[in-house]
Amino acid sequence: ETGVTQTPRHLVMGMTNKKSLKCEQHLGHNAMYWYKQSAKKPLELMFVYNFKEQTENNSVPSRFSPECPNSSHLFLHLHTLQPEDSALYLCASSQGRLAEQYFGPGTRLTVT
Amino acid sequence: AQTVTQSQPEMSVQEAETVTLSCTYDTSESDYYLFWYKQPPSRQMILVIRQEAYKQQNATENRFSVNFQKAAKSFSLKISDSQLGDAAMYFCAYRSSGGGADGLTFGKGTHLIIQP
Repeated sequence: ETGVTQTPRHLVMGMTNKKSLKCEQHLGHNAMYWYKQSAKKPLELMFVYNFKEQTENNSVPSRFSPECPNSSHLFLHLHTLQPEDSALYLCASSQGRLAEQYFGPGTRLTVT
Repeated sequence: AQTVTQSQPEMSVQEAETVTLSCTYDTSESDYYLFWYKQPPSRQMILVIRQEAYKQQNATENRFSVNFQKAAKSFSLKISDSQLGDAAMYFCAYRSSGGGADGLTFGKGTHLIIQP
């Protein structure tokens, strides 16, 4: 695997379900990010991790819970989501705080 | 807070022609980074080009070049010799060079259509 990978690519879940999104970067980067892309809205930054430490939580509801066990892996745990949470969730990584970010292919989430 | 504005929701260009996508941004910072990303139908976000604000020279990557006007806070992307594979959503993005959030601030995007 190369670059940034995300699993699953598609996820349908009910409002009472608990699921997790996984991101893995194979680039040796030390910073990882979660973004949300909704229809007709700009990409929204959700969380930032730098050297496994969360450095940014962009006022995200607590039903989204990130986890970064090491510099290569990032998870987004989901529980009791709302239909408006349906979106494309993109993971990205970068080397250092000042470099461009490389994105994964995204997870298309549908909440029913 | 920084904002990024892309005023063209959609642009269309004939294959082999040149097209320019507009982007303006608002910031009080003097040092920052600007990027153009491409998102084809596969949804994979691909970096096209980057520009450091402290560099006066405009960045160029093959058929892609930017016109960076720092005083005007403008950062347009020029695509020369347009190809069918250039069809995609193009996003302009801003990143602070230090302090504050490390994430990117994106515009709403421009949908580029290439006419064969």
